[in-house]
Amino acid sequence: GQQVQQSPASLVLQEGENAELQCNFSTSLNSMQWFYQRPGGSLVSLFYNPSGTKHSGRLTSTTVIKERRSSLHISSSQTTDSGTYLCALAMNYNQGKLIFGQGTKLSIKP
Amino acid sequence: GGIITQTPKFLIGQEGQKLTLKCQQNFNHDTMYWYRQDSGKGLRLIYYSITENDLQKGDLSEGYDASREKKSSFSLTVTSAQKNEMAVFLCASGGASAETLYFGSGTRLTVL
Repeated sequence: GQQVQQSPASLVLQEGENAELQCNFSTSLNSMQWFYQRPGGSLVSLFYNPSGTKHSGRLTSTTVIKERRSSLHISSSQTTDSGTYLCALAMNYNQGKLIFGQGTKLSIKP
Repeated sequence: GGIITQTPKFLIGQEGQKLTLKCQQNFNHDTMYWYRQDSGKGLRLIYYSITENDLQKGDLSEGYDASREKKSSFSLTVTSAQKNEMAVFLCASGGASAETLYFGSGTRLTVL
């Protein structure tokens, strides 16, 4: 079965609302990463977060290994936050081979 | 800063044709990767290479060949293009850990 499950598959919000994206994984991991992908664009790493909570501006990532989940919180969303958010886990720290979730497509309306 | 360059950006081929996608990086990274992204889905690993002339199969290697002739470049060949292969192919490079992974902007493949 799917080792990495993301939810929701899509999310539409009004500008200024907060977004909560979830990633659940069914296997043990060595690292968890969150990526952002603009439509037709490359992936940009947002967080490398194997455990605990990390902050970057309006973004917060929390990974709870015992519960096999990671979340990405976007506060006060802006239209420029629109795009696809992907979580990925690596089981082997040294090789960087990632298993990706299917992504959450986020649309922020003005 | 470094950059990953993928060429071409768009690739149109005929069914059964052999097609090659190229990737160059100037990060001086040891490891390079080829991922495939189908519409509405996550990325799946096709091939990766941990050093020059090394090749390792990913989960989706059947129907593909890869080549790493030098540290800075990694090519992917679709051996016989099929219509169900229409997807975006993303190249990435990284250091020893997943933390230092960078992606190119992708090659969109269309098979007629």
